Amino acid sequence: GAVVSQHPSRVICKSGTSVKIECRSLDFQATTMFWYRQFPKQSLMLMATSNEGSKATYEQGVEKDKFLINHASLTLSTLTVTSAHPEDSSFYICSGEDSGTPSQETQYFGPGTRLLVL
Amino acid sequence: AQSVTQLGSHVSVSEGALVLLRCNYSSSVPPYLFWYVQYPNQGLQLLLKYTTGATLVKGINGFEAEFKKSETSFHLTKPSAHMSDAAEYFCAVILYSGGYQKVTFGTGTKLQVIP
Repeated sequence: GAVVSQHPSRVICKSGTSVKIECRSLDFQATTMFWYRQFPKQSLMLMATSNEGSKATYEQGVEKDKFLINHASLTLSTLTVTSAHPEDSSFYICSGEDSGTPSQETQYFGPGTRLLVL
Repeated sequence: AQSVTQLGSHVSVSEGALVLLRCNYSSSVPPYLFWYVQYPNQGLQLLLKYTTGATLVKGINGFEAEFKKSETSFHLTKPSAHMSDAAEYFCAVILYSGGYQKVTFGTGTKLQVIP
């Protein structure tokens, strides 16, 4: 099956710093990538949908200036948490939609990035 | 609007017993339905999916689910639980809106397998 990687898998940073998380589709091209956030003991919440070469579409309540998303190529999307605060600590998961799959009904998920802001 | 309800945030079964995880959905159009499994500190792994065709779908690790339109349900089952099945399971609905996929997850059910 299709593989999505995320880097780093875990990151600890000081409050006020920015953190970049990379999401890569390793064996397929992803025109569309999705970023999710998962709070402890809760489900995944969609943060934004990013399309290669265009601006991301953010879900209601997600701060665009705080969570910067860049989808510069068909295999890479990045999420930058700017001026991170402890409340941003969470598990961030990305997924990619295979552009080559005719029905495109499946997203392939990355392994997630655990962010801890001190 | 679409929604997914998973009954029971925690389910405990004995090893070898039947596993039944419940999922009900609400959707204005025929949905695509998915079950994902998440092991601790890991991402999601697709177990199985229903898009069209046969309503009983088989997935990996011996799991299967049946789409029942009349009951708006997509319950996940496995005849005999293994210790390795202990994980959190998420039901999800995917709809296409404005040319994009929109995924809605349930709140998850944590499965505990008792030896």
